[in-house]
Amino acid sequence: GNSVTQMEGPVTLSEEAFLTINCTYTATGYPSLFWYVQYPGEGLQLLLKATKADDKGSNKGFEATYRKETTSFHLEKGSVQVSDSAVYFCALSDQGTGNQFYFGTGTSLTVIP
Amino acid sequence: DARVTQTPRHKVTEMGQEVTMRCQPILGHNTVFWYRQTMMQGLELLAYFRNRAPLDDSGMPKDRFSAEMPDATLATLKIQPSEPRDSAVYFCASAPGTGGIETQYFGPGTRLLVL
Repeated sequence: GNSVTQMEGPVTLSEEAFLTINCTYTATGYPSLFWYVQYPGEGLQLLLKATKADDKGSNKGFEATYRKETTSFHLEKGSVQVSDSAVYFCALSDQGTGNQFYFGTGTSLTVIP
Repeated sequence: DARVTQTPRHKVTEMGQEVTMRCQPILGHNTVFWYRQTMMQGLELLAYFRNRAPLDDSGMPKDRFSAEMPDATLATLKIQPSEPRDSAVYFCASAPGTGGIETQYFGPGTRLLVL
């Protein structure tokens, strides 16, 4: 079946530190992969996505590369800011399962000045 | 800037009362999802619709929960009777439904507290 495993949190970093949040997946078909971000008190927002192997999604300084050989989609940012404090969700969607999303458990990030 | 809207944003009720949550998907989107988020379970898919027809509601407790789309601009999620364990944030999301794998757009959520 389809599933997503995310790095356990919470993660606390100092401003300007390098961020990596690990995400691995299991899929029966050829999924698209997503990172969503949830700021306190808000709904989830799409951060970036990749639709096929070796694609790199990027947005707001965040990047993730779809690695089929390692079934991974790790989120990275070179220099985090206090405003990046949020919960990050990795997700996959597989057309073979009606475009349902399978979300990871979320990783809470706190960036301290 | 098109957005998914949800009402109410907050709801406090007593056990046994009926709760109705509403969602207005982005205009033109024909796929609507309902999720529940709790600290213990994370994000759970409750049900989803395409062209107003339910495609999957296997994640929803059938005895007390019901989801409908009376028209293309309104989706509802009802709990009757409500129980304290239903306390959670309920999110609605919509997608264009044009085929292929699509981004889901989330509303701000309804925070439900059942006393």
